[in-house]
Amino acid sequence: SQKIEQNSEALNIQEGKTATLTCNYTNYSPAYLQWYRQDPGRGPVFLLLIRENEKEKRKERLKVTFDTTLKQSLFHITASQPADSATYLCAPRGNSNYQLIWGAGTKLIIKP
Amino acid sequence: DTAVSQTPKYLVTQMGNDKSIKCEQNLGHDTMYWYKQDSKKFLKIMFSYNNKELIINETVPNRFSPKSPDKAHLNLHINSLELGDSAVYFCASSQVGTGGEETQYFGPGTRLLVL
Repeated sequence: SQKIEQNSEALNIQEGKTATLTCNYTNYSPAYLQWYRQDPGRGPVFLLLIRENEKEKRKERLKVTFDTTLKQSLFHITASQPADSATYLCAPRGNSNYQLIWGAGTKLIIKP
Repeated sequence: DTAVSQTPKYLVTQMGNDKSIKCEQNLGHDTMYWYKQDSKKFLKIMFSYNNKELIINETVPNRFSPKSPDKAHLNLHINSLELGDSAVYFCASSQVGTGGEETQYFGPGTRLLVL
């Protein structure tokens, strides 16, 4: 079955450093992959989408890579700030019905 | 302007009761979803409607019944609530773009606690 893995442990990063989050998927080849941010008590918010034929996508301090050979996406936040602290969810598209398959998310903590 | 709204935000109820959660989106999207997020934070899709028609119905107890009176609304009715139903329920909407991609927009969630 299609499976998504994200680091289950919280990631602690010093302010100003680059935070890198990992998303691995198995048993399928998604046409695209999305990253969302979820703050406590709120719904996920879309950040970036990357297609299978794209190696890298950037938006301000955010960068996403997509390696279809490794079946992995990396999500980077450069010059991290305490306000970047949140849970980040990876969501590759599944094989049918445009359904997204959701990872459990990685909690990112940026320390001042 | 709230894009996807849900009511109520909090719901505390006794086992065995019946309750409903309402969702509305003003984005003009064709597709709406219900997700359940448990204590481990997994987002699990329950149902999806496209233009009022059910297109995804995951393995969910038949105590859960979605209803879409129009494409801007998707309500969730739960009969005979059980302790295990306690979770956060998210409504979302999306529109498939020309490239076949969809981005989902989530409501604020309904925190259901069954006592």
